[in-house]
Amino acid sequence: GAVVSQHPSWVICKSGTSVKIECRSLDFQATTMFWYRQFPKQSLMLMATSNEGSKATYEQGVEKDKFLINHASLTLSTLTVTSAHPEDSSFYICSAPDRSYGYTFGSGTRLTVV
Amino acid sequence: GIQVEQSPPDLILQEGANSTLRCNFSDSVNNLQWFHQNPWGQLINLFYIPSGTKQNGRLSATTVATERYSLLYISSSQTTDSGVYFCAVDPPNSGYALNFGKGTSLLVTP
Repeated sequence: GAVVSQHPSWVICKSGTSVKIECRSLDFQATTMFWYRQFPKQSLMLMATSNEGSKATYEQGVEKDKFLINHASLTLSTLTVTSAHPEDSSFYICSAPDRSYGYTFGSGTRLTVV
Repeated sequence: GIQVEQSPPDLILQEGANSTLRCNFSDSVNNLQWFHQNPWGQLINLFYIPSGTKQNGRLSATTVATERYSLLYISSSQTTDSGVYFCAVDPPNSGYALNFGKGTSLLVTP
């Protein structure tokens, strides 16, 4: 089946620094990648949609200058949390649609900003 | 936007018991998926089921698209079934983004 590899699995960073999260589609081409955020004991909320070769589309209330998304190739999309603050601590997870298997999710990245 | 409601929000079962989880959605959808989120946060795709019935071992799912609901059946539950079960739908014209319900938190006790 379709596989999306997400790295890192967890990261702890100091307030004010930036963190990059990568998602790679391993056995299919992902022209679209969705980025979700999940706070403890809550559901997944869509943050943004990235499309290969074009600018990402952000959901209402998501700061595009804080959450930089790049989708430079058909197999790689990245989310960079810039100038991270403790309130950015969350679980971030990417997803790509596949016609055969529905939506495949990465394993998620647990970000802790201290 | 489309509303996705899951019930019950919490469920405690004794090992070996059966259960049914429900997902109601407010509008027509292109697709529907059931996921299990394990304690480490990983989302496991259980079923890709826009309509009809599917079975995979002790789990089965039924979606009645015309009545806008889906059911997930867990039989002979095991402690490893514990976690959160999410229903997610892909509404028309959404750009394929999934909308998630709030989930059902399941705890299976020995």
